[in-house]
Amino acid sequence: KQEVTQIPAALSVPEGENLVLNCSFTDSAIYNLQWFRQDPGKGLTSLLLIQSSQREQTSGRLNASLDKSSGRSTLYIAASQPGDSATYLCAVTTSGSRLTFGEGTQLTVNP
Amino acid sequence: NAGVTQTPKFRVLKTGQSMTLLCAQDMNHEYMYWYRQDPGMGLRLIHYSVGEGTTAKGEVPDGYNVSRLKKQNFLLGLESAAPSQTSVYFCASGLGVGEQFFGPGTRLTVL
Repeated sequence: KQEVTQIPAALSVPEGENLVLNCSFTDSAIYNLQWFRQDPGKGLTSLLLIQSSQREQTSGRLNASLDKSSGRSTLYIAASQPGDSATYLCAVTTSGSRLTFGEGTQLTVNP
Repeated sequence: NAGVTQTPKFRVLKTGQSMTLLCAQDMNHEYMYWYRQDPGMGLRLIHYSVGEGTTAKGEVPDGYNVSRLKKQNFLLGLESAAPSQTSVYFCASGLGVGEQFFGPGTRLTVL
């Protein structure tokens, strides 16, 4: 059974700092990995999708990497801003197009 | 283009009552999903559909039924609600092994 773990569970940083969120998964037989953002009381917004054949994806200040063989992904956020405060979720797609989610990292960026 | 919409946004039920949650998408996606999100458990897949007229069980299907009579709609039913079904329910859609798009969620409380 696929299991996804996100470390740390919570992170608090000062504005302007670069930071890394970690995601690990137990079964490397994945089709892709997605990073989502969730604001309190809201739905999920897809940030980045990395196909299993890719090593990284970039969108603005966000960069996600994927090391499928070791079962790891990182989300790098450059020059963090208070508006980046949210919960970040990692999810992998396995057979049957099913997503398995981690429990998320709650990020707070302090002004 | 509304994306994925969910009805209702909030609902309070008494134990034993029934209700149906409606999910609609206007992106012509074949795949649709129902998840529940609980503190400390992350998002878990309840049921999903790979096309009109098809449904399949996910990780936590007990106590729920689904129907996909039209491609754009995916209904989640609770026949006899229990307090353990208090949760936030998210619907998602996608093209299969690719990005999934999420609705805003339905907050359900069962007393």
